[in-house]
Amino acid sequence: DSGVTQTPKHLITATGQRVTLRCSPRSGDLSVYWYQQSLDQGLQFLIQYYNGEERAKGNILERFSAQQFPDLHSELNLSSLELGDSALYFCASSPRLAGDTQYFGPGTRLTVL
Amino acid sequence: LAKTTQPISMDSYEGQEVNITCSHNNIATNDYITWYQQFPSQGPRFIIQGYKTKVTNEVASLFIPADRKSSTLSLPRVSLSDTAVYYCLVGLLGNTDKLIFGTGTRLQVFP
Repeated sequence: DSGVTQTPKHLITATGQRVTLRCSPRSGDLSVYWYQQSLDQGLQFLIQYYNGEERAKGNILERFSAQQFPDLHSELNLSSLELGDSALYFCASSPRLAGDTQYFGPGTRLTVL
Repeated sequence: LAKTTQPISMDSYEGQEVNITCSHNNIATNDYITWYQQFPSQGPRFIIQGYKTKVTNEVASLFIPADRKSSTLSLPRVSLSDTAVYYCLVGLLGNTDKLIFGTGTRLQVFP
């Protein structure tokens, strides 16, 4: 158990809908990262937040957004969902802004029908 | 952009030592090298991290030559439970364009 929790574990929804994925980092970790893993794309970095502020952006679509709250939990919002958004979404956390090991959560499996 | 290249797959037998090499020709001065292990439908799990020379922990060793353009993850005496995908990650975590996971190496351990 990495100490990172993600909810829900599974999510099934329809195209065009909007969903919110939640992540609670390890106690004391200030950085939260979001990744998408689909069968044909591998593990793709989406975005990083550090102590409530966005710090790094990867291949995140404009339909996706994220935020980190004062209690350091983070949410990833996915809107106007498409079939291709079906994937595993992982959250990871680390103590500082950079240079630390990332600890990954168990993931949320999103299925868009 | 510190892109990494790894073999797509490797096979081994229980009890053997496995060495997985990652190429990272454009590694920057401040970049670390980190290896993760991932089982199906689970989040990646940290194995080892290094900057130069050799790092060893209870599960693996990481060898990094002087030019740092490659690194080798060494798993001693693998078991069936080591069957997984292994990712090489290079970067100063937190910098845009630096958080790149390689394609991963799918290690299959046979009895």
